Amino acid sequence: QITLKESGPTLVKPTQTLTLTCIFSGFSLSTSGVGVGWIRQPPGKALEWLALVYWNDDKRYSPSLKSRLTITKDTSKNQVVLKMTKMDPVDTATYYCAHSSTVSNYWFDPWGQGTLVTVSS
Amino acid sequence: EIVLTQSPATLSLSPGERATLSCRASQSVSSYLAWYQQKPGQAPRLLIYDASNRATGIPARFSGGGSGTDFTLTISSLEPEDFAVYYCQQRSNSFTFGPGTKVDIK
Repeated sequence: QITLKESGPTLVKPTQTLTLTCIFSGFSLSTSGVGVGWIRQPPGKALEWLALVYWNDDKRYSPSLKSRLTITKDTSKNQVVLKMTKMDPVDTATYYCAHSSTVSNYWFDPWGQGTLVTVSS
Repeated sequence: EIVLTQSPATLSLSPGERATLSCRASQSVSSYLAWYQQKPGQAPRLLIYDASNRATGIPARFSGGGSGTDFTLTISSLEPEDFAVYYCQQRSNSFTFGPGTKVDIK
């Protein structure tokens, strides 16, 4: 069974850097074709894809947020970390991580439960 | 960037009725389109992938169709648990999500 869980601060101040961790089980990021992505959702709004890291360390970023994002993986710890710099109140959202591989036909499935991050001074 | 547009924004129907949701892409995504269902307070769940394939465990009342730029999600007969928000997503060129269609109870 594949599971993912996000963790990180619930509150960050404007201009700070957000660091989120996704800890997963049921698959390995050293297996060919596997990826872990991050998606966010502001309260009451739509989903927005942020970043994705593949088993071979290939990394993809949202063009609109690329300059602020860094995604890394630690295969031995079964975790993926997302850093977002220069946080602003508009970045207030629930942040999800999700699995992608041949098992899910390369779509995001399943997702973690999400973690709400509020940006406020 | 490929932009996905969903219509209608809200669909008000009664249990047992048929729901037809639309997703249109700003350029062709071939069949690289999926549909997700999201209920309040929950993470999205994959329903349909590659435009027309049901994900594991998804009931047969959910079906997807289309290719290129125009796609539909059909729920043949709405069950009480189907009232939710539905998002389309493409992975033909990077990844983008549509704005969602809310299916609520009439």
